[in-house]
Amino acid sequence: KAGVTQTPRYLIKTRGQQVTLSCSPISGHRSVSWYQQTPGQGLQFLFEYFSETQRNKGNFPGRFSGRQFSNSRSEMNVSTLELGDSALYLCASSLSHGLGNTIYFGEGSWLTVV
Amino acid sequence: GQQVMQIPQYQHVQEGEDFTTYCNSSTTLSNIQWYKQRPGGHPVFLIQLVKSGEVKKQKRLTFQFGEAKKNSSLHITATQTTDVGTYFCAGPAGGGADGLTFGKGTHLIIQP
Repeated sequence: KAGVTQTPRYLIKTRGQQVTLSCSPISGHRSVSWYQQTPGQGLQFLFEYFSETQRNKGNFPGRFSGRQFSNSRSEMNVSTLELGDSALYLCASSLSHGLGNTIYFGEGSWLTVV
Repeated sequence: GQQVMQIPQYQHVQEGEDFTTYCNSSTTLSNIQWYKQRPGGHPVFLIQLVKSGEVKKQKRLTFQFGEAKKNSSLHITATQTTDVGTYFCAGPAGGGADGLTFGKGTHLIIQP
């Protein structure tokens, strides 16, 4: 069974640009969540999607957005990139939403903003 | 908002020594999860604790959930080089919302 797949794995963007990251969850998983990981702030929750609906959003500015498609694949977008957006962006999937569901992380997308 | 604090931030041990990391929440948790992230890798789920005072073991790893469900610990007996990595605890984001609040993690460094 394939794990959570994230693309691209590495990318470099310039300040002011926008970026779209993609996540394919484990087959059968309907919940997808996104996290940002930086050395200073650690792992921070961005948002979670279930059945194409955003169920919850972390404390990030509106430049961070996401969506989920009918096949459970998800994308996140960051507009007007800032240097501080450089981070590892992790996608995680689980069978369903709600507490107690084990989440499985992908390998992440390393974003560098210059 | 809810905060999850984890100590120590770094722990150096000699191979074969024991290791413990502690996690404290500002609020009562319905459950707590532990993850391990190898250098250059992604977090991997280790275990979830739900009940007050719960203790679970996985080979050399022992996980505890406090009676008040506000703290937790992970203890590794006789560390091995394969234990190197960062260990994170995580609790529900709170407010009935999904998503996890992670501690900053404990970096375990093992000297052979």
